[in-house]
Amino acid sequence: EAQVTQNPRYLITVTGKKLTVTCSQNMNHEYMSWYRQDPGLGLRQIYYSMNVEVTDKGDVPEGYKVSRKEKRNFPLILESPSPNQTSLYFCATQFWGAGDFDTQYFGPGTRLTVL
Amino acid sequence: GNSVTQMEGPVTLSEEAFLTINCTYTATGYPSLFWYVQYPGEGLQLLLKATKADDKGSNKGFEATYRKETTSFHLEKGSVQVSDSAVYFCALSDLSGGSNYKLTFGKGTLLTVNP
Repeated sequence: EAQVTQNPRYLITVTGKKLTVTCSQNMNHEYMSWYRQDPGLGLRQIYYSMNVEVTDKGDVPEGYKVSRKEKRNFPLILESPSPNQTSLYFCATQFWGAGDFDTQYFGPGTRLTVL
Repeated sequence: GNSVTQMEGPVTLSEEAFLTINCTYTATGYPSLFWYVQYPGEGLQLLLKATKADDKGSNKGFEATYRKETTSFHLEKGSVQVSDSAVYFCALSDLSGGSNYKLTFGKGTLLTVNP
């Protein structure tokens, strides 16, 4: 079954305590991306990756890092979380090839609260 | 830059009522257009899409037509059900600016259908 998985699904943490949200996909997609969803703002892109070792900033990258060492994984790292990073986070993946090339598949989301 | 504007709602309807959620967009190139749906507590799922002007996307009784002349992609359903209660996001993907498959989202419309 095609899947995008995220862990953890829920996390409550404190300001400054480093954390990582994992994203993994089994569809062999080249493109992966992170979004955050905030009320009244919709979803905004944080970072994206076109392939292994190729990453770039999205619209709201401040306070976040990513890495893409393997094709299937794209972790989101918050080295020093702050309360303004309290949000719902989604990982998304997309295939480059013909056919369904422009559909993004989303993970189930990670709800992060930073106290 | 690209942008998407959609009815913010909330929208409350009775079962079997007709639904329209308006969506207009601004894009520099020739975007693909999407409607995503988010059911309570879940991630985003693609509802339908259209990749060029005059295309009609359809799924589960929902329809939307890509209107280049009015830069619109309004979502419609002839008879809504309680199970359609969800948040609906209009989005576009435009590759003209480079290789980022970023989705630009509207702010979302909460639909509640009462029995």
